[in-house]
Amino acid sequence: SAVISQKPSRDICQRGTSLTIQCQVDSQVTMMFWYRQQPGQSLTLIATANQGSEATYESGFVIDKFPISRPNLTFSTLTVSNMSPEDSSIYLCSVAFFGGTEAFFGQGTRLTVV
Amino acid sequence: GESVGLHLPTLSVQEGDNSIINCAYSNSASDYFIWYKQESGKGPQFIIDIRSNMDKRQGQRVTVLLNKTVKHLSLQIAATQPGDSAVYFCAGGTSYGKLTFGQGTILTVHP
Repeated sequence: SAVISQKPSRDICQRGTSLTIQCQVDSQVTMMFWYRQQPGQSLTLIATANQGSEATYESGFVIDKFPISRPNLTFSTLTVSNMSPEDSSIYLCSVAFFGGTEAFFGQGTRLTVV
Repeated sequence: GESVGLHLPTLSVQEGDNSIINCAYSNSASDYFIWYKQESGKGPQFIIDIRSNMDKRQGQRVTVLLNKTVKHLSLQIAATQPGDSAVYFCAGGTSYGKLTFGQGTILTVHP
């Protein structure tokens, strides 16, 4: 199993600014992912965070808007850049071990852009 | 509160009843499927999974059924309790851990 800590847990930001969300895992994991959950909706994968290389983004998400870092096997950051009210969502970090079926989630970061 | 603006299907049951939550999936490439429970203000919590080559799996008070012919997944919760009230999501996954989530269902259990 894995215990995931996300920071901040929530934030209210001004439009046009950027916010960096941190994800720390208590064990070395193979895979790390970032998801977005818009109000009242399901989770959508933003990207796979790759250690030491550029993240792999899903259709509709781009690096300029959501830059991601993963310097080691236990830590990743997601930045939401040049925010607008449409970016108001819960952002969730998820981790998994290669070959396993269970993906573990952090508690999420609730972002409100005003 | 958390329920404002939610556009998900809802299921209301009485405490002690059995609940059945359904999910239609589109990604036939999934190696396995998972049911998650999400309580207000928390991340999704793993409930049970099933490999794509299986059609039924049982856990404690929960059973998952998979019908690949019609791309349908269901979660049965026996003797539903108020603590089971949450949003339930199905997700299809690959061995790389990447998940495609279904729509979700809000389960409300009345005492």
